[in-house]
Amino acid sequence: SSELTQDPAVSVALGQTVRITCQGDSLRSYYASWYQQKPGQAPVLVIFAKNNRPSAIPDRFSGSSSGDTASLTITGAQAEDEADYYCNSRDSSGNHVLFGGGTKLTVL
Amino acid sequence: QVQLQGSGPGLVKPSETLSLTCAVSGYSISSGYYWGWIRQPPGKGLEWIGSTHHSGSTFYNPSLKSRVAISIDTSKNQFSLNLSSVTAADTAVYYCARAILWFGDFYWGQGTLVIVSS
Repeated sequence: SSELTQDPAVSVALGQTVRITCQGDSLRSYYASWYQQKPGQAPVLVIFAKNNRPSAIPDRFSGSSSGDTASLTITGAQAEDEADYYCNSRDSSGNHVLFGGGTKLTVL
Repeated sequence: QVQLQGSGPGLVKPSETLSLTCAVSGYSISSGYYWGWIRQPPGKGLEWIGSTHHSGSTFYNPSLKSRVAISIDTSKNQFSLNLSSVTAADTAVYYCARAILWFGDFYWGQGTLVIVSS
């Protein structure tokens, strides 16, 4: 298919672990990247190439993949992690970029 | 540290061409990487527009391809977006970005809000 599907909203209690998923046929062939976007700000890359973190990203963020689903896990969620999270990857042709619809994470 | 600064008109009339430029500092565009444009309509999600490399390799979103041109000016260390025949649906924050391992995993610059209105 030519789309990446994310749950619109997810919530997590402060300090607990949350998994945000991204589903799409192309993920069987290509890695996902993940972005965090807070209101009024540009997206920030948090995971690339399945489970690589830019140096400024805390190690509570991790990525994984199984079959047609990629996941972003936040272990010990903090209040500052409340944001929209987007996945992206290639489409099945490998020649175009897809973004998921985004997941709004609420930290309770 | 690579920095990207987008610039261009904040207001464009319907049917005209939207033109934005992204100035890159801290890295020479001609040294590598793909450079891309992504947009976000108000209150909505992210949409990839296209990505380009100084070698000439360029990829476009098929839904926009007929209206989009992305180019690189290595002498000015910047890259540009032209989107023709704009409508209100093209109103969005436009982000320029630098890719990492392939043409779609991005470090982002600050966005530029473009409103299409007469």
